[in-house]
Amino acid sequence: GQNIDQPTEMTATEGAIVQINCTYQTSGFNGLFWYQQHAGEAPTFLSYNVLDGLEEKGRFSSFLSRSKGYSYLLLKELQMKDSASYLCAVRDGTDSWGKLQFGAGTQVVVTP
Amino acid sequence: EAGVVQSPRYKIIEKKQPVAFWCNPISGHNTLYWYRQNLGQGPELLIRYENEEAVDDSQLPKDRFSAERLKGVDSTLKIQPAELGDSAVYLCASSFGSGNTIYFGEGSWLTVV
Repeated sequence: GQNIDQPTEMTATEGAIVQINCTYQTSGFNGLFWYQQHAGEAPTFLSYNVLDGLEEKGRFSSFLSRSKGYSYLLLKELQMKDSASYLCAVRDGTDSWGKLQFGAGTQVVVTP
Repeated sequence: EAGVVQSPRYKIIEKKQPVAFWCNPISGHNTLYWYRQNLGQGPELLIRYENEEAVDDSQLPKDRFSAERLKGVDSTLKIQPAELGDSAVYLCASSFGSGNTIYFGEGSWLTVV
């Protein structure tokens, strides 16, 4: 099984930077995903990490440390539209498929 | 290119009534998933299809839930009879193979009263 922990809520000011941490305990590991979900909408894919290190994609970056069971999503130059829930999801490596399990999500509130 | 399409978008039913949700995955995606998402929680997998075969249904409450994907494209998820605790968002998702990025539909919001 897996345990995925992320903070429930974070608040930041427009233009600032926010870092959302995610820790996981898995029986095997085959990649970590970050999804963004606006209220009432579908989760949309943001990033994927399978090797240690930082993946940068515009204002969003995601970091992974497999030895520490740790990832973070970094949101830079925050905009009001970034107010959403951010879901950390881990694919385990116990079978050929690798089930994707989601954390409960971190609600990011961007204030003016 | 069209994304994952789901219907209905919203459904309110009385407990003990049946309900069905339909999903059309992204064209070319052979893997289809049904997830359930409760308020304030992440999605939880109910069932995964590889083409027409259900290869992981371990989390599907089989006493009242059923799903099918007869021609390996569209899928239907049914609940009969519905209970109050089934109120949730039912998300369909698809991917090109099991190991690749999963793309979600907008979900079917179910309220059981």
